[in-house]
Amino acid sequence: DQQVKQNSPSLSVQEGRISILNCDYTNSMFDYFLWYKKYPAEGPTFLISISSIKDKNEDGRFTVFLNKSAKHLSLHIVPSQPGDSAVYFCAASPSGSARQLTFGSGTQLTVLP
Amino acid sequence: DTAVSQTPKYLVTQMGNDKSIKCEQNLGHDTMYWYKQDSKKFLKIMFSYNNKELIINETVPNRFSPKSPDKAHLNLHINSLELGDSAVYFCASSQGAGSGSPLHFGNGTRLTVT
Repeated sequence: DQQVKQNSPSLSVQEGRISILNCDYTNSMFDYFLWYKKYPAEGPTFLISISSIKDKNEDGRFTVFLNKSAKHLSLHIVPSQPGDSAVYFCAASPSGSARQLTFGSGTQLTVLP
Repeated sequence: DTAVSQTPKYLVTQMGNDKSIKCEQNLGHDTMYWYKQDSKKFLKIMFSYNNKELIINETVPNRFSPKSPDKAHLNLHINSLELGDSAVYFCASSQGAGSGSPLHFGNGTRLTVT
């Protein structure tokens, strides 16, 4: 039962262009959402988060959008840089509990120079 | 100055053996976790622990047990290893367990059971 789905296992984007990574969830109890970035042979690192009371959160080149009615969130990276090439995991939790984080399976982003 | 460190990085062992993976965090966090990344790349929580409470994911076999000698360490013991235990195991920590507490992960331990 995949409550958090990242349907695109991979995405390639040209340097300088926008990268859009998508995530869908099924559990209506989820109210806090996070994106993690993972390089090979390293652990995931926290990137950006959003709570369900917002529909957008921005941090530098990274913006997360939340569409609660569609149970969909997306991560926009503008402009994309080769160093952004990594696996991006979407995660969600109910009541903002870090103990109940559910992760998606990740999207491999490749930014081409 | 690694924040969350786990050892070993690779572990190859035979079925039936008992093994441990160690985890230490120097962030002063009060909550630690073990995650398993399965063959489909999903990260699934196994345990979360602070000095007051251990929460176990009910799907985790009781062959897996966390041991915390102190607040900075949460080791993972696995008894009677099975082929299906092969995976990458990640330790993580956070300060508290609320929404303002993103997880800090170690670099993972790749366990291969032959």
